[in-house]
Amino acid sequence: GESVGLHLPTLSVQEGDNSIINCAYSNSASDYFIWYKQESGKGPQFIIDIRSNMDKRQGQRVTVLLNKTVKHLSLQIAATQPGDSAVYFCAEKGWRGYQKVTFGTGTKLQVIP
Amino acid sequence: NAGVTQTPKFRILKIGQSMTLQCAQDMNHNYMYWYRQDPGMGLKLIYYSVGAGITDKGEVPNGYNVSRSTTEDFPLRLELAAPSQTSVYFCASSDRGSYEKLFFGSGTQLSVL
Repeated sequence: GESVGLHLPTLSVQEGDNSIINCAYSNSASDYFIWYKQESGKGPQFIIDIRSNMDKRQGQRVTVLLNKTVKHLSLQIAATQPGDSAVYFCAEKGWRGYQKVTFGTGTKLQVIP
Repeated sequence: NAGVTQTPKFRILKIGQSMTLQCAQDMNHNYMYWYRQDPGMGLKLIYYSVGAGITDKGEVPNGYNVSRSTTEDFPLRLELAAPSQTSVYFCASSDRGSYEKLFFGSGTQLSVL
């Protein structure tokens, strides 16, 4: 069945350094891969997505990389700031018409001042 | 523009009680969803709706019911609450053609004792 998983449950990064959050997926039929950020006590917030026909997409201080060969997704955050401390979820959506978004278990990013 | 509004924020139920979690969105989104999030876990889809009058089951629908009489509102009903339903519940919405970009409410923390 579909599954979206994460390599590391917790990641500690020094402020100013770059962060890399990894995610493995198993559903080759997924059309979109998405990253969400969830701050403590809040609902998840959309960060960036990438379509399956792309291998890289950049946003503001974030880059998502998709490697379909090894079914791997990563989120890179440049110059990590204290406000980046949160749980990050990767998620995927199928391609056939309307498909639901399936979430992974999350990685907690801790930024050390 | 308030986005997605959920009420209440916190609730404690006794086993066997019933309650309705309210969700409203003011973005005129067709698609609405209910997820639950258990501690340290990702989000699991309970029910979703693709428009007023149309609802469908997600991954974990047992013990819940929904209705969608208007575009704006998508209440979630818990009948005969059980300890296994202790969780944080998130309502979300998305626009047609942008299904992967979910807008979440701030959640309802429910404890069943």
